[in-house]
Amino acid sequence: DTEVTQTPKHLVMGMTNKKSLKCEQHMGHRAMYWYKQKAKKPPELMFVYSYEKLSINESVPSRFSPECPNSSLLNLHLHALQPEDSALYLCASSHRSGNTEAFFGQGTRLTVV
Amino acid sequence: GESVGLHLPTLSVQEGDNSIINCAYSNSASDYFIWYKQESGKGPQFIIDIRSNMDKRQGQRVTVLLNKTVKHLSLQIAATQPGDSAVYFCAESLDSGYSTLTFGKGTMLLVSP
Repeated sequence: DTEVTQTPKHLVMGMTNKKSLKCEQHMGHRAMYWYKQKAKKPPELMFVYSYEKLSINESVPSRFSPECPNSSLLNLHLHALQPEDSALYLCASSHRSGNTEAFFGQGTRLTVV
Repeated sequence: GESVGLHLPTLSVQEGDNSIINCAYSNSASDYFIWYKQESGKGPQFIIDIRSNMDKRQGQRVTVLLNKTVKHLSLQIAATQPGDSAVYFCAESLDSGYSTLTFGKGTMLLVSP
């Protein structure tokens, strides 16, 4: 199984809503990532989890709150988002030891209205 | 031919041609480089990687060339097929133990039958 599964595939939410994005992998990877991708732009790193602990936060606003409940799951909790937060949110995972290939999910297309 | 528009540079080729996609990377300390393919509505998919101690690596129909002197990376696709049509991103990473990838701008490859 070399898949990273993200749910939901599409999400429309209001600026006062609270929602969560979910990501799951069963490759035994101990590093998991959230990236944000705007249309026609490259993905940008948001967060890195290593062994279920937050290792890197790329100065992401607090309205985005990541959570790693266990080694296979990664969540991104969303609250009070702005329309400019509309984007494709990508989850990825990789082996923790050294630089290795990152496997990406197909993303959640988020629209904030 | 290649064109640079307001957003993604685009490379248009005929089926069967060889394609060359170029990328300039920014950090001379990066030691790991990857090419990703992203089809519409999907997450980035690993194509090939190369470490900084190499200058060439070949895969199936693809070759990556690395020129550290000028911080340049290229992806060569042999006998390009319509299924190769996608956006191609180069990505660089430091040897931090994570795949904290910094993506380049991306090039759209359009293959005509």
